[in-house]
Amino acid sequence: DAGITQSPRHKVTETGTPVTLRCHQTENHRYMYWYRQDPGHGLRLIHYSYGVKDTDKGEVSDGYSVSRSKTEDFLLTLESATSSQTSVYFCAISEPGPDTEAFFGQGTRLTVV
Amino acid sequence: QKEVEQNSGPLSVPEGAIASLNCTYSDRGSQSFFWYRQYSGKSPELIMSIYSNGDKEDGRFTAQLNKASQYVSLLIRDSQPSDSATYLCAVKGRSGYSTLTFGKGTMLLVSP
Repeated sequence: DAGITQSPRHKVTETGTPVTLRCHQTENHRYMYWYRQDPGHGLRLIHYSYGVKDTDKGEVSDGYSVSRSKTEDFLLTLESATSSQTSVYFCAISEPGPDTEAFFGQGTRLTVV
Repeated sequence: QKEVEQNSGPLSVPEGAIASLNCTYSDRGSQSFFWYRQYSGKSPELIMSIYSNGDKEDGRFTAQLNKASQYVSLLIRDSQPSDSATYLCAVKGRSGYSTLTFGKGTMLLVSP
């Protein structure tokens, strides 16, 4: 998976609890992304980062925050998890530019009960 | 809002046939186009990218792009049961900060 590690791979949490998902890369790519994938919706961008401490919102950012203090790590936090955030979360990395490909991590399956 | 449309399928083809997967996009400023394959329970895997009008071939795969019609397709020749997966079309704009927008994917089933 192109040197991308997501942790944890599976998590079950209760409604209202905070959750942090981690994405770690060894490729030194500048861009990192968080997507969620749900049946009937496909892959939707939550947040992305174009450098250390540089982040921006995606299509479905409400209820999520991110941080990137090092090139290799991109954290996604659900401040207060809700059942609607039950999903599979994918991290991706790429180099900058329109003609660059994105590579995905293995995914994290999150269940909020 | 950028939109990428794909038929959800499933598209069923017999082994050895040509599978044709189609994708349309709404943003005329789109610059780059990608096809990902995703097996059930796995992460998306890049199989093809195309940036200019015409055809691009890589082994059994051919990507076709028509920017005037805002249409991109993926042909899989000599389809194999191992090609059974969901194929995701993704589009990227011209900006250096542009991100990938995905279609919902087409499920392909190749029967032996």
